[in-house]
Order: sequence, then structure tokens, then C-alpha cells
Amino acid sequence: DAGITQSPRYKITETGRQVTLMCHQTWSHSYMFWYRQDLGHGLRLIYYSAAADITDKGEVPDGYVVSRSKTENFPLTLESATRSQTSVYFCASSAGPYNEQFFGPGTRLTVL
Amino acid sequence: QKEVEQDPGPLSVPEGAIVSLNCTYSNSAFQYFMWYRQYSRKGPELLMYTYSSGNKEDGRFTAQVDKSSKYISLFIRDSQPSDSATYLCAMSRDRGDSWGKFQFGAGTQVVVTP
Repeated sequence: DAGITQSPRYKITETGRQVTLMCHQTWSHSYMFWYRQDLGHGLRLIYYSAAADITDKGEVPDGYVVSRSKTENFPLTLESATRSQTSVYFCASSAGPYNEQFFGPGTRLTVL
Repeated sequence: QKEVEQDPGPLSVPEGAIVSLNCTYSNSAFQYFMWYRQYSRKGPELLMYTYSSGNKEDGRFTAQVDKSSKYISLFIRDSQPSDSATYLCAMSRDRGDSWGKFQFGAGTQVVVTP
């Protein structure tokens, strides 16, 4: 399917576990982004990537790791999950830094 | 203090009314301004995109940017129940260390009642 997909859509995990959220886009967009959305905070940028093997921190990067070995994939890893990382995570992609960002459907993560 | 402020609402209006949404910001370097619509349990989707100041119209939607007041607005004319969603503003500088990184408002929940 064309577009941007995220998996899993829902995830429940325990404190201290490692969790990886997947993001895949079929447009060959150069730019990809990870956001978290929490009530009262809107969307906050965690990490972004301008191209394969190029990543940079956003506003709230602590506790997260990203990689981008292929243009179409941008996984987000929580190395040791904490309750404060309970959130809805959105992946997005765009053709350029100021182009429209296309968002995935989100992953709802609960850390117990 | 957040760089982008947006009233979370909810904003409830009757069908057919004009919906007026706005965001204020503190960073005078912002040049790119976007409005996204987000339905419940969905990802945001772009509605309007403007660069620098001025107005932009697309169907029932009008976006305005007033850089002197650091204020942007979105108007929805002839509102429909299908317009019920959360509307997020987003903005970015065009140079410096925030290059390409958009700052989002918290979003305003809009409810259009039939």
C-alpha cells in the first residue's frame, strides 16, 4: 500500500523493557520525523532525519534512539521504557524540510 | 513559556457558523505557517500552508498571518459536522538551528453541532 504506515498500532509494555516502533513510507521522501502527542502539549518532535544515515535530535530526544539505514524506514527505539513515555507516537515524512508533512496513523504506547 | 500558544477549547459552534481559530507565537523568526486537521485517533493532515505574511483562501478555509502581532488565524466558513476535529497550528524558521523543525501548538478541539 502506498503511503506511510506505522506498526504496531497499539503496544503495552512494562517499565525497563526495550520497545521499537516501526515507520515505513513508500514515497521515497528524504525527510522523516518522529513526534509524540500528549494532552496539553500537542506534537513534540523527538528526532528527525534528512536522509538515510542522517539523523538529528528534536525537542524531546532523551530516552529514544533512531536509525535510518534505508530511505523508506525510520524505526524509533525506547531503550528502557519509562511510564513518562506513555504517549501516542506519530511518524511523518516529507519531500523537503518545509514541504507538507504526511503523518502515519500513530502508535498508541502504554508503559506500565 | 511555549513558543506557540493555542487555546485547547473545546470550541462548540452550530452548523453553518464561522469557526475562528488562532495561535500566537513568540519567535519572530518563524516564516512558515501550517494548519493541520486531526480527527480522533488519526494522524494530522495538512489543511493550509502559508509563507510569511498575508491571507490564503482554499474553499471554505482562510488562513491569515499577522507577523507584526505574531498571530495566525484559521477561519472555516459554513461549518459542517464533518469539520469536528482538532486543529493544530505549526510553524518554523527558515534558517538557524531550528531549520526545518516545525513547532506545533497544542491543538484546538472543534465541535460542530447539527
